[in-house]
Amino acid sequence: QKEVEQDPGPLSVPEGAIVSLNCTYSNSAFQYFMWYRQYSRKGPELLMYTYSSGNKEDGRFTAQVDKSSKYISLFIRDSQPSDSATYLCAMSRGGSNYKLTFGKGTLLTVNP
Amino acid sequence: DVKVTQSSRYLVKRTGEKVFLECVQDMDHENMFWYRQDPGLGLRLIYFSYDVKMKEKGDIPEGYSVSREKKERFSLILESASTNQTSMYLCASSLIGRISGNTIYFGEGSWLTVV
Repeated sequence: QKEVEQDPGPLSVPEGAIVSLNCTYSNSAFQYFMWYRQYSRKGPELLMYTYSSGNKEDGRFTAQVDKSSKYISLFIRDSQPSDSATYLCAMSRGGSNYKLTFGKGTLLTVNP
Repeated sequence: DVKVTQSSRYLVKRTGEKVFLECVQDMDHENMFWYRQDPGLGLRLIYFSYDVKMKEKGDIPEGYSVSREKKERFSLILESASTNQTSMYLCASSLIGRISGNTIYFGEGSWLTVV
């Protein structure tokens, strides 16, 4: 079983739709969870990070972590064509452990 | 805002050439990383540095070396470039910290083609 699993998509939605992106993981030691957005031929940019379980909201974006199920989600409300990108989940144990483990990314296209 | 700058965006090199990829960060981060990203394989860690002159191998260090002489600068070296090193290379940096959870920040990427 891979440490982090992420459906690669591609996912195509109409403008204004609610988008749900998900990752599952197997390592219960992960405590920090991040979502990165990567536009074509650009580096990933940090969208959100959360610590432990719970929800975090930032504008149209909501990140959810369910540690009991080892499942994290990113919701995008009122999706826009500018949201079209690859979304990568990442997680770490934190503290002195430097390593982030990434999902392989989900390609999202929002159609006008 | 954190800024991680990769000096070369697009490079074309010949097989056997020595290649240097340079990266500078302006946020006084302790950690710096080099990843490569390939379709279907995701991000793979090549090398990591947690301090000046310190380095650790990542998941795929073969064929690469690194140099960190100053805290803000981390260089990736391909001693003898090969075609299977054609890829997008991403530099990143992070703080060590409980709050940040070692959240890392990426540069724009360097597209290397080895012919």
